[in-house]
Amino acid sequence: DQQVKQNSPSLSVQEGRISILNCDYTNSMFDYFLWYKKYPAEGPTFLISISSIKDKNEDGRFTVFLNKSAKHLSLHIVPSQPGDSAVYFCAAETGANNLFFGTGTRLTVIP
Amino acid sequence: SQTIHQWPATLVQPVGSPLSLECTVEGTSNPNLYWYRQAAGRGLQLLFYSVGIGQISSEVPQNLSASRPQDRQFILSSKKLLLSDSGFYLCAWTPTGKTEAFFGQGTRLTVV
Repeated sequence: DQQVKQNSPSLSVQEGRISILNCDYTNSMFDYFLWYKKYPAEGPTFLISISSIKDKNEDGRFTVFLNKSAKHLSLHIVPSQPGDSAVYFCAAETGANNLFFGTGTRLTVIP
Repeated sequence: SQTIHQWPATLVQPVGSPLSLECTVEGTSNPNLYWYRQAAGRGLQLLFYSVGIGQISSEVPQNLSASRPQDRQFILSSKKLLLSDSGFYLCAWTPTGKTEAFFGQGTRLTVV
């Protein structure tokens, strides 16, 4: 049972525009959410996170929004750059040493 | 600084052969250690995690096992590989009490 879902397997965006990656979850016990970025043949690297007590967290060009009532979070990248092209994983955890990951969204930023 | 090493990077093994993937963490003590698998269309699936030496929790019933013989060493094993064991395996660690995970480079396993 996939508790964290990324329904868009891929996304293409023009350089300079906004990239919006979406993630939905089913477990209301999740209290911390993270985004990871993964390049081919490498392990994922942590990008940004948000606690369930917040609805927005910003770090430079990256902003994560959390809508708890909809069990939905999104990652905004503004402006998008070609180096942002990668697979982005959404993850959630309940504090029990488990990170649940989505299936990933491949972002392609077109120069 | 902390680093995580995972090897080998790629592995091709015949069906029925054994498996041993090793992961070590440097620059920290008492990390939480994890093995994940990324299978096509399935995202990152947690296989095992460990909060201390000899303490292993399994998340998914499967043909694999894990061991933690030392504080900063985590081993993923199988006695007999199946075709369905093919995938990209990732070792990760988190500091005790923290959530952000740091991943190794991964091992691409192909069972033929």
